[in-house]
Amino acid sequence: QSVLTQPPSVSGAPGQRVTISCTGSSSNIGTNYDVHWYQQLPGTAPKLLVYGNNNRPSGVPDRFSGSKSGTSASLAITGLQAEDEADYYCQSYDISLSDVVFGGGTKLTVL
Amino acid sequence: QITLKESGPTLVKPTQTLTLTCTFSGFSLSTTGVVVGWIRQSPGKALEWLALIYWTDGKRYSPSLKSRLTITTDTSKDQVVLTMTNMDPVDTATYYCAHYDYGPGTPPGGDAFDIWGQGTMVTVSS
Repeated sequence: QSVLTQPPSVSGAPGQRVTISCTGSSSNIGTNYDVHWYQQLPGTAPKLLVYGNNNRPSGVPDRFSGSKSGTSASLAITGLQAEDEADYYCQSYDISLSDVVFGGGTKLTVL
Repeated sequence: QITLKESGPTLVKPTQTLTLTCTFSGFSLSTTGVVVGWIRQSPGKALEWLALIYWTDGKRYSPSLKSRLTITTDTSKDQVVLTMTNMDPVDTATYYCAHYDYGPGTPPGGDAFDIWGQGTMVTVSS
């Protein structure tokens, strides 16, 4: 079981908006540690999508946005496109475990 | 341009020691602020952080695997080596090395992995 909980799957039609949640606790997301998000296309390595809760690396479309509140974080994708179909992972740090922790991953299906 | 590439055996036997090499370019581990990490992903499973090595030669390990892991660097060759002892079939996974976007103002362990290698698949089987 992952320390950070994500829904196993989400789906949406092209053009729609979807959100992926990442639920933690007071020992990880609820601390001053940031949340980062990765996109993993089928058969490829993860790619950094959002860092520091709500910052996008150069080249990442502004359709992707992150937020953090309390012990949870969210990734929002607007204007859904077929190429967004991938697995998405959140990452933070757990001060009780002294461990970098990832969520269990969410598979996004574009209908 | 930063690139990383993992190399090592594709098959190891149970109880053996795994040695993986990460060869990188576009940065140097001799430079202040540079950090490289290892992450693995079992088939169909989530990502799992393994280790970090800092430009100071400081190291951090996953607590659950710390007794089995060693991360070292060969700065003259721009390589980072990860060894994992006593391999078991549950260690079957794709192993990734990644550049860690260290920020001096961020709490230790709190930064993101901004550039990843392609990964190398390791199967543990007799």
